[in-house]
Amino acid sequence: EADIYQTPRYLVIGTGKKITLECSQTMGHDKMYWYQQDPGMELHLIHYSYGVNSTEKGDLSSESTVSRIRTEHFPLTLESARPSHTSQYLCASSDRGGPPADTQYFGPGTRLTVL
Amino acid sequence: ELKVEQNPLFLSMQEEKNYTIYCNYSTTSDRLYWYRQDPGKSLESLFVLLSNGAVKQEGRLMASLDTKARLSTLHITAAVHDLSATYFCAVDKNTDKLIFGTGTRLQVFP
Repeated sequence: EADIYQTPRYLVIGTGKKITLECSQTMGHDKMYWYQQDPGMELHLIHYSYGVNSTEKGDLSSESTVSRIRTEHFPLTLESARPSHTSQYLCASSDRGGPPADTQYFGPGTRLTVL
Repeated sequence: ELKVEQNPLFLSMQEEKNYTIYCNYSTTSDRLYWYRQDPGKSLESLFVLLSNGAVKQEGRLMASLDTKARLSTLHITAAVHDLSATYFCAVDKNTDKLIFGTGTRLQVFP
């Protein structure tokens, strides 16, 4: 059973606010990911990390930023939220070389609404 | 550019019927994943398929992979209401990054 946590689960904020979405995993996984998903749609990778101090942008351009100072923690920050950022954000992690074949385990998600 | 397509996008089926969801991808990959997502929830890993001809089964779901045809199928046998969810396939780009399909929303009714 995967142990990956996200907070908050739901967030409603006004335009222009700075927000940080938290993601933590207790499995010691090297690789972590952030995905953006609109309701009923596919997931798009926005950031990923292969380890501490390693971060890369994903396939979908995003105004958010991430950091990876500790293995277990991979927060995502929006400096100035806009209504176009309204979406669900899913965090995932996987173990480099671990069974079964780098399966990504997902957190419960944060549903963000920007007014 | 790797693209992953699923069909059908929506599937409404009666209990006890059988059906298949298809996942096509555009470039070579040896890893394919199937996930389930309940409404408003996160993704749950169902199957990992690692080689041509791989077949995995769990309960009423069976997944297979044909890497030559770049096709995976998720077969549902004797559907029950509890299987209602959205099913995603995802393909590894050989860079530890996944490209997800559009998802198939399955609804099973009595």
